[in-house]
Amino acid sequence: AQSVAQPEDQVNVAEGNPLTVKCTYSVSGNPYLFWYVQYPNRGLQFLLKYITGDNLVKGSYGFEAEFNKSQTSFHLKKPSALVSDSALYFCAVRQREAAGNKLTFGGGTRVLVKP
Amino acid sequence: ETGVTQTPRHLVMGMTNKKSLKCEQHLGHNAMYWYKQSAKKPLELMFVYNFKEQTENNSVPSRFSPECPNSSHLFLHLHTLQPEDSALYLCASSQPWTGLNEKLFFGSGTQLSVL
Repeated sequence: AQSVAQPEDQVNVAEGNPLTVKCTYSVSGNPYLFWYVQYPNRGLQFLLKYITGDNLVKGSYGFEAEFNKSQTSFHLKKPSALVSDSALYFCAVRQREAAGNKLTFGGGTRVLVKP
Repeated sequence: ETGVTQTPRHLVMGMTNKKSLKCEQHLGHNAMYWYKQSAKKPLELMFVYNFKEQTENNSVPSRFSPECPNSSHLFLHLHTLQPEDSALYLCASSQPWTGLNEKLFFGSGTQLSVL
């Protein structure tokens, strides 16, 4: 079984301040981890993924995420948030050793960046 | 745009109606997915098709019937739906997952309202 928890329904941050969106996961074995973003009236867009290697992953639009195996976390970060980063963010996990392409998503965190 | 097109964007139907959702991808992918996005709930995987064959049915009620006539097209046939089926239905596509190319491309979704 695999699951994802995003403990915050919403994160509010002022423009120019650091942004962090939290994600913890549970999976049997090793994880593949992902972040997706959904802008209003749009489908989800891929931001970044952790497959293996360096624990710090850099993705689109200046976002990065750090894989922490001991804490089973994969928090999304951006050093300086923009108003245009306001969106719904989803963390997702898949067990590396599992066959197939079944991805489990978290409930999403709404980010609101205020000018 | 992501290369995945869904029609219609909005659909209102009665519980006795029959309707279909359409998804088309122009990315040359061989895997296609239906997801259900309800308010305040995690994204739910419904069906997965690989090379036109259904490989995942996530215990979806039979009032939802998928069809994948070729690798570029995916349909979701709806009949005798319930009001709780009202949600955003997202289609996605990808290459068959091998660990290195794990990335979903989503359409903008069909917002379904069942009256």
